[in-house]
Amino acid sequence: AQKITQTQPGMFVQEKEAVTLDCTYDTSDQSYGLFWYKQPSSGEMIFLIYQGSYDEQNATEGRYSLNFQKARKSANLVISASQLGDSAMYFCAMREAFADTGRRALTFGSGTRLQVQP
Amino acid sequence: DGGITQSPKYLFRKEGQNVTLSCEQNLNHDAMYWYRQDPGQGLRLIYYSQIVNDFQKGDIAEGYSVSREKKESFPLTVTSAQKNPTAFYLCASSNPDRASNQPQHFGDGTRLSIL
Repeated sequence: AQKITQTQPGMFVQEKEAVTLDCTYDTSDQSYGLFWYKQPSSGEMIFLIYQGSYDEQNATEGRYSLNFQKARKSANLVISASQLGDSAMYFCAMREAFADTGRRALTFGSGTRLQVQP
Repeated sequence: DGGITQSPKYLFRKEGQNVTLSCEQNLNHDAMYWYRQDPGQGLRLIYYSQIVNDFQKGDIAEGYSVSREKKESFPLTVTSAQKNPTAFYLCASSNPDRASNQPQHFGDGTRLSIL
């Protein structure tokens, strides 16, 4: 069974500073994908960034980057130059390549609430 | 613009009543999913469907039912057997190819409460 752990229920960061949101995962599969989503107070889930288990380089998307350490099974999200609009819940999620069952659903962590302070 | 539409945004259920949450997508995705989110928690999988006329139970399927008669539509029924239905329900879709890098696209969710 796969599991995602986000150990920071809440984080504060000053505007314009960088922040790291932690995520560790547990899987016995060799092929898997890791995702980060942002959920504002309105509730929609916004896809931020993806890292594949076989990707040799850390993923980056604008101000978002993923610090992927495969041996430690961690996939931390780094947000650079925080903005007030970054205040939201952030979820780490994983999908294994279930080739047999066809199950392509995501397993989510419990989330981290980020508050950006002016 | 392509996307996922969930309706209604808010829904109230009486004791012993079944209610149906709508999910429609125009992204031409084969796979669709229903998740439940409780306050302060992550999302948990209720049901998923990889193709029309086929669906599978997720981790918390008891008290729920689904149908997939059309590619675009994946309605979720919360039955009276679900004793604690108050939650935020999110529908998602994706391309179900064997690569794991396809993100799921989500609707805006339905908030269900007990009257």
